[in-house]
Amino acid sequence: DTGVSQDPRHKITKRGQNVTFRCDPISEHNRLYWYRQTLGQGPEFLTYFQNEAQLEKSRLLSDRFSAERPKGSFSTLEIQRTEQGDSAMYLCASSLATVGYGYTFGSGTRLTVV
Amino acid sequence: KQEVTQIPAALSVPEGENLVLNCSFTDSAIYNLQWFRQDPGKGLTSLLLIQSSQREQTSGRLNASLDKSSGRSTLYIAASQPGDSATYLCACHGGATNKLIFGTGTLLAVQP
Repeated sequence: DTGVSQDPRHKITKRGQNVTFRCDPISEHNRLYWYRQTLGQGPEFLTYFQNEAQLEKSRLLSDRFSAERPKGSFSTLEIQRTEQGDSAMYLCASSLATVGYGYTFGSGTRLTVV
Repeated sequence: KQEVTQIPAALSVPEGENLVLNCSFTDSAIYNLQWFRQDPGKGLTSLLLIQSSQREQTSGRLNASLDKSSGRSTLYIAASQPGDSATYLCACHGGATNKLIFGTGTLLAVQP
């Protein structure tokens, strides 16, 4: 297993455009998490899935954000009508739904909105 | 609501020095605590995972301790090297929430 993969690594987009990021978790992990990190801050939780069910969404996830995990494997995070404040590192992590199991993070997608 | 604090925010030490990074959390009802390393512009690399029933974990030159009753964890780095320069993040999992809650990190610079 190659770990958690995220694509693309970097994305530059103009304000108002839509962007979509993809995350491929470790294959046997049934939980998948999205976090956002701005410069100098720790990652902030956005949402998580257990299998294909989206179980929790943060207040940070405005209605311009949508996440899916249609078959319980890879996930996509879409941001519609991007704003400059959306510029951040978007991190994906996966884990098992087992008490005490740790998280494995991907390399992240760096979004810059110009 | 779980809050995680890391002190200091930044630390600069000469090569070879032993150092301690601190992490405190407000809700002691955690499943585990995880320490991560983050290089500039990169993702997170897991360093150590301590279960709520454990007091410490060791990996090479790294040792992490956990004191749930006082809401504290420390990451001890022995014989620091320039390659240890990075941001170190601690994160708590569990309690009232089924997700990792992160501190803001400690930016470590090890001077050759």
